[in-house]
Amino acid sequence: DVKVTQSSRYLVKRTGEKVFLECVQDMDHENMFWYRQDPGLGLRLIYFSYDVKMKEKGDIPEGYSVSREKKERFSLILESASTNQTSMYLCASRRRLAGDNEQFFGPGTRLTVL
Amino acid sequence: KQEVTQIPAALSVPEGENLVLNCSFTDSAIYNLQWFRQDPGKGLTSLLLIQSSQREQTSGRLNASLDKSSGRSTLYIAASQPGDSATYLCASEGGGGNKLTFGTGTQLKVEL
Repeated sequence: DVKVTQSSRYLVKRTGEKVFLECVQDMDHENMFWYRQDPGLGLRLIYFSYDVKMKEKGDIPEGYSVSREKKERFSLILESASTNQTSMYLCASRRRLAGDNEQFFGPGTRLTVL
Repeated sequence: KQEVTQIPAALSVPEGENLVLNCSFTDSAIYNLQWFRQDPGKGLTSLLLIQSSQREQTSGRLNASLDKSSGRSTLYIAASQPGDSATYLCASEGGGGNKLTFGTGTQLKVEL
């Protein structure tokens, strides 16, 4: 079974802090994704990566950056956290080929920015 | 831009009922349609993936259908159980690949 893990289930940070969210997958998937989920807005794609050191912006990249130094690990970085970044953050992974591969999700990190 | 809609937003049924959850999308040029389940405060669990060339997929008591021409997918749950209570999300993968567009989900409650 594919396993996607996230470093924290719950995180509380203060405005202006630098925040790192870590995601690790164990199935050698090429593609990894970061989403945020907010009530009434659903899941929205922040960034994705299709290979080591490669990244592409999703629909809402502003205020975020990412890092993919190893194939199994994809990090989301909030350079200076703000209260409007309080949300549930979900990481996902899949094999490279589009069309016939499921995305597998981690358990999520609920981030609160005070 | 693809838009995915799920109606109703919430549904409550008695145990044992067969039920249908609906998902509609505006752009029929999709690679696939995926259904997920999400329990409160948890991540998403993939239930079924229907490729664009397929009409339906089945797994246990779940059956998902896809009609690209009408921009619709349905998730059929047979003989519902309290353990089926969760939020069900559909997502389409569109042109360019790799990007899923999610609906906002149907929150299902199956009562004893």
